[in-house]
Amino acid sequence: GAGVSQSPRYKVAKRGQDVALRCDPISGHVSLFWYQQALGQGPEFLTYFQNEAQLDKSGLPSDRFFAERPEGSVSTLKIQRTQQEDSAVYLCASSSVDTYEQYFGPGTRLTVT
Amino acid sequence: DQQVKQNSPSLSVQEGRISILNCDYTNSMFDYFLWYKKYPAEGPTFLISISSIKDKNEDGRFTVFLNKSAKHLSLHIVPSQPGDSAVYFCAATPYGSGNTGKLIFGQGTTLQVKP
Repeated sequence: GAGVSQSPRYKVAKRGQDVALRCDPISGHVSLFWYQQALGQGPEFLTYFQNEAQLDKSGLPSDRFFAERPEGSVSTLKIQRTQQEDSAVYLCASSSVDTYEQYFGPGTRLTVT
Repeated sequence: DQQVKQNSPSLSVQEGRISILNCDYTNSMFDYFLWYKKYPAEGPTFLISISSIKDKNEDGRFTVFLNKSAKHLSLHIVPSQPGDSAVYFCAATPYGSGNTGKLIFGQGTTLQVKP
């Protein structure tokens, strides 16, 4: 596929469970971003990778959030011991190195019950 | 502190007329601005962008205007079509050697274009 894909599209977790969200960026895109979008709000930055290096994780809300991109392509966002306030849509975006335009995946809607 | 603000949560326009969506920002370090469009259950789709060295950028029916002194940008859609009905997000990114390109988004404006 030509676009950014994310899986699963929907995830329901019981409070306290761990979840893993996957992102497949556009082939060849060096930069990969994760955002969190709460209901009725704009996306908020979580973390940024350039290839496999995580260069900015200033937006991760707590140490329960962890992201990796070990081979510089697919990325996983992991949330440990989920809380109700983690309920949101998690968006992944990728871009090439010479542009600011980011291309977003469809998102994963996480609901913590 | 909301660095990018879209003060109108919603806008309703008749088909064929102009839609004007507004965005204000507070951070003078922002140097590149983007508009995204979002349909329900989909990710945001890039629409148009503008660099801070310009005051206008046009792409078909879409024009973005930037007023740096007022820290204000707007998106004009002419003529508006029912398929333009969506949530529109304004986003900005700061310049600087440490810039990662992360985007700071506004809260969004829901545009409804009535046939």
